[in-house]
Amino acid sequence: LAKTTQPISMDSYEGQEVNITCSHNNIATNDYITWYQQFPSQGPRFIIQGYKTKVTNEVASLFIPADRKSSTLSLPRVSLSDTAVYYCLVALSGGYQKVTFGTGTKLQVIP
Amino acid sequence: KAGVTQTPRYLIKTRGQQVTLSCSPISGHRSVSWYQQTPGQGLQFLFEYFSETQRNKGNFPGRFSGRQFSNSRSEMNVSTLELGDSALYLCASSLAGHSYEQYFGPGTRLTVT
Repeated sequence: LAKTTQPISMDSYEGQEVNITCSHNNIATNDYITWYQQFPSQGPRFIIQGYKTKVTNEVASLFIPADRKSSTLSLPRVSLSDTAVYYCLVALSGGYQKVTFGTGTKLQVIP
Repeated sequence: KAGVTQTPRYLIKTRGQQVTLSCSPISGHRSVSWYQQTPGQGLQFLFEYFSETQRNKGNFPGRFSGRQFSNSRSEMNVSTLELGDSALYLCASSLAGHSYEQYFGPGTRLTVT
């Protein structure tokens, strides 16, 4: 069964740039890639979304290679408040669109 | 604008019982999706409704069902509860589906004993 995988955890010092990659080698051809942030005891919160190449908003950038089999969320100059779990969300190909969250990456920002 | 609301927030049920969870989406949003979150399996997609029609569904048994009303409010039902159904159930609304920015509710924490 195709899965959407991410590193389990990452540590970063405050002020550094953090890159989190999601592998989705069976992504549906017409679907977007979306990233969410989740704090404990809360529902996920939208960060950024893209289809191909690069997308940037006020909080993050999203890099998507031409084959779309992976995507990288980039958080510039992280702060302690960025400590959270980050998930990618894609639809995988095959029959019903298989809406799939990634395995999640717990980011710990260190002062 | 009010966010996504879910009721109840916490629920304790016994094996074999059934449960109904409710979700009120953001005003104007026509799509509602449901997700199950557990420590072992992470976030898993249950189903997606748009304009009262189920448009997409995940790989869950038929004990899990849902519906959407004309005002876009949605309910999900789990029958014959099992211990493994203990989870946080999250509802998300969006303008038109999972490919659009989804706004999540705080979830309903279901415990099955």
